Amino acid sequence: GAVVSQHPSRVICKSGTSVKIECRSLDFQATTMFWYRQFPKQSLMLMATSNEGSKATYEQGVEKDKFLINHASLTLSTLTVTSAHPEDSSFYICSAREISRGYNEQFFGPGTRLTVL
Amino acid sequence: GENVEQHPSTLSVQEGDSAVIKCTYSDSASNYFPWYKQELGKRPQLIIDIRSNVGEKKDQRIAVTLNKTAKHFSLHITETQPEDSAVYFCAASSASKIIFGSGTRLSIRP
Repeated sequence: GAVVSQHPSRVICKSGTSVKIECRSLDFQATTMFWYRQFPKQSLMLMATSNEGSKATYEQGVEKDKFLINHASLTLSTLTVTSAHPEDSSFYICSAREISRGYNEQFFGPGTRLTVL
Repeated sequence: GENVEQHPSTLSVQEGDSAVIKCTYSDSASNYFPWYKQELGKRPQLIIDIRSNVGEKKDQRIAVTLNKTAKHFSLHITETQPEDSAVYFCAASSASKIIFGSGTRLSIRP
């Protein structure tokens, strides 16, 4: 149980275009989903926290108009990178927290590698 | 803001020896401390975790200790094997989010 999928796994796009990444909890309902970005040889940096049906909470320094997050249901959150630039190239990972669990364990998706040309 | 410091950034040990990675956290509200192993290009894998009401936990060759007063927690890997080579991240979680340490690249020398 507690499986999180992410789609696509890899995407290459041209500078200036937008890219949407989906994160799904397959066998549980996720009250909260998190989006992380990881640059090569660096740690996971939390970008934003999304709760179903409400606006996402963005970390300091993350542009909310550039990284649009929609958490439309208890099993789906999407991250849209708008007007992508080469510096947005990174590994994007989502995670989800299950409603029924008392503690704060998160389950991670497999990640999406974004390359902006 | 919340911060998790992790040391060392790189660690090389002889196969069969022990490896220790240490972390400190700043957010007093943190109550859950997972450790992840990440291989290149893949998602972090939870290898062990500890909750704030416990001082230590062991699972075969892996153990974690927590000192809430000092806000320190550590990962201990005994009898290291080549497959233990990877990047390890500590993390501290409160009700709102998980903050990751900067990572430790562990290499096991044959």
